[in-house]
Amino acid sequence: KNQVEQSPQSLIILEGKNCTLQCNYTVSPFSNLRWYKQDTGRGPVSLTIMTFSENTKSNGRYTATLDADTKQSSLHITASQLSDSASYICVGSNDYKLSFGAGTTVTVRA
Amino acid sequence: KAGVTQTPRYLIKTRGQQVTLSCSPISGHRSVSWYQQTPGQGLQFLFEYFSETQRNKGNFPGRFSGRQFSNSRSEMNVSTLELGDSALYLCASSQDSRRVNGELFFGEGSRLTVL
Repeated sequence: KNQVEQSPQSLIILEGKNCTLQCNYTVSPFSNLRWYKQDTGRGPVSLTIMTFSENTKSNGRYTATLDADTKQSSLHITASQLSDSASYICVGSNDYKLSFGAGTTVTVRA
Repeated sequence: KAGVTQTPRYLIKTRGQQVTLSCSPISGHRSVSWYQQTPGQGLQFLFEYFSETQRNKGNFPGRFSGRQFSNSRSEMNVSTLELGDSALYLCASSQDSRRVNGELFFGEGSRLTVL
């Protein structure tokens, strides 16, 4: 059964600090791993998509890593801003289906 | 380039009623998928349509149905509404979600409240 588990469920950080979100996935056959950002009341927006051969991908202050051996991914937010307050969703994809994690809610405080 | 448009954005229904939600994908996109999002469950896949054909279906009861038109616009219908159907319903479009790096573009969602 394809599964995606994220941790922590939520976290609070101070503006300007860094944080790392974790994602463990069991997706077979593996196609790609995605991270989405979802602001409250809005639809998710794609941050990164990584295939098996990619182990790091950046999008501005967001850097995602992928370890295909341990089936783990992380999303690192550098120098957080108030606008980073959102839910971050990890998604594993095989050829036919996307498996969504429950998300990590990040709150950035001034 | 216009994004994914979902209508209505908000609606309130009572138990037993039915509801139809609409999704207009990005121009040129042929794949439309629907998701239910609730606070405790995260995003749950409902179904996907590609070129007017349902290509994939999640584990939802038959009260949830959908269709796609020749212009790729899609509708989903929920009949005999239950309180538990209260959720944010998201639509996502892509050129083809089965492409390895197929990008998904989500709409802003339709917030359904069932009283």
